[in-house]
This record gives sequence, C-alpha cells and structure tokens, in this order.
Amino acid sequence: NAGVMQNPRHLVRRRGQEARLRCSPMKGHSHVYWYRQLPEEGLKFMVYLQKENIIDESGMPKERFSAEFPKEGPSILRIQQVVRGDSAAYFCASSRTGVDYGYTFGSGTRLTVV
Amino acid sequence: SQQGEEDPQALSIQEGENATMNCSYKTSINNLQWYRQNSGRGLVHLILIRSNEREKHSGRLRVTLDTSKKSSSLLITASRAADTASYFCATFHSGNTPLVFGKGTRLSVIA
Repeated sequence: NAGVMQNPRHLVRRRGQEARLRCSPMKGHSHVYWYRQLPEEGLKFMVYLQKENIIDESGMPKERFSAEFPKEGPSILRIQQVVRGDSAAYFCASSRTGVDYGYTFGSGTRLTVV
Repeated sequence: SQQGEEDPQALSIQEGENATMNCSYKTSINNLQWYRQNSGRGLVHLILIRSNEREKHSGRLRVTLDTSKKSSSLLITASRAADTASYFCATFHSGNTPLVFGKGTRLSVIA
C-alpha cells in the first residue's frame, strides 16, 4: 500500500532549463495538490487537480508554471525556464473525496537552480 | 488571506514535559487539521477536528478548537526526543478549496 510517490527526490537544473516533477497519488485518492515550501517557512498552495481537470490554480505563478493530472499516469508539475527563485521543496499531496479526510503527502522534490 | 498562524514559532522543552502549540485563523472553517514535518521530509497527518467539535484526543495528542475565537491548540503530553519536528495547522474552509497551512511551530525536545 504505497503512499504518495514523488520523483525525483532531488533535482538540479541550470537557469533557463525545464524542471518536471512527478507525483503518483495514493491508491484510491482522486485529488492531488501541489505545495511549495521555502526553508523555514510553511507550505504555500500552488494547484489542486483531479483527473484531467484543474480545480484551483490560484497559487500558481501566471508564467512558466503548469500542472496536469492525466487520465493515465502521474501528475506533473512543470516549470519552464527556471530561475534561482524557483529553488524550493515541492510537495505533492493526495486525498480522498470528501471534507473529512486529511492529506497524504509525498516526501517532496527538492529543486535547486544553479 | 485565510492563512493560519501558529504560536510560538519555536519551542524548546525537556523530555517528559508537555508541549502546547496554538493556531489562529481568520475565516470560518469546516475542519482544522494538524500535521508534523520531520526535517527534510513530507508532512504527516496527525489529527482532524471538525468545526462542531471542541476537543479530540489521539494517543498523547490533545487538540482543542474554539470557533468563537478562531483558534486551536495542540498539546503533546510527556514529550519525547522523537517528537522533535515542525508542527503545522491547516484549515479547510469549504467546497473545493485546498487546505491552507500556517507557518508552523518548530518543536525541539531535549533528552
């Protein structure tokens, strides 16, 4: 009964390159959330997806960032033309349908832009 | 902003003592949740309390919720060194909104 799987755990990109972060939700979970965490800070919401639908992307920067959760396969958070300020830990979480369930988090992807 | 705020930002106690962390939020909630994060790891769900509940227990954890004051507290009794972590409250407001996390309390339990 695997939990939320994120890969890679660590990702180093040069400025201007693309970063692709993957997240496979827990079995039975249909909701996926992406959060970003800077050192010594809390989690900042980025995007909420269900299969093939973006439910809420109010936390996503308007440019360079995109997310998808296709019918088959993991959810992908894509950052184009990365800049140093994109360096952070990116966490994916999943949950069941309904209001009374907590989130299950992955171990995160630590992105370093050099 | 709906973001909650934890208080204190950092807390250092001796093993065996109780640790109390507080969380305040700004707008009405459906439920409030507490999570723990060990250094460099993902968050782990600890406990969920609904807006119509006032207190909930889980092992050494006790959570209270006062919706009139828009605040919650997390009490960890008889703390252990393994409780050293950051603790976050998160609020669920309504509908298809995502959880909103506070900035967390960093707890250090000294053996």
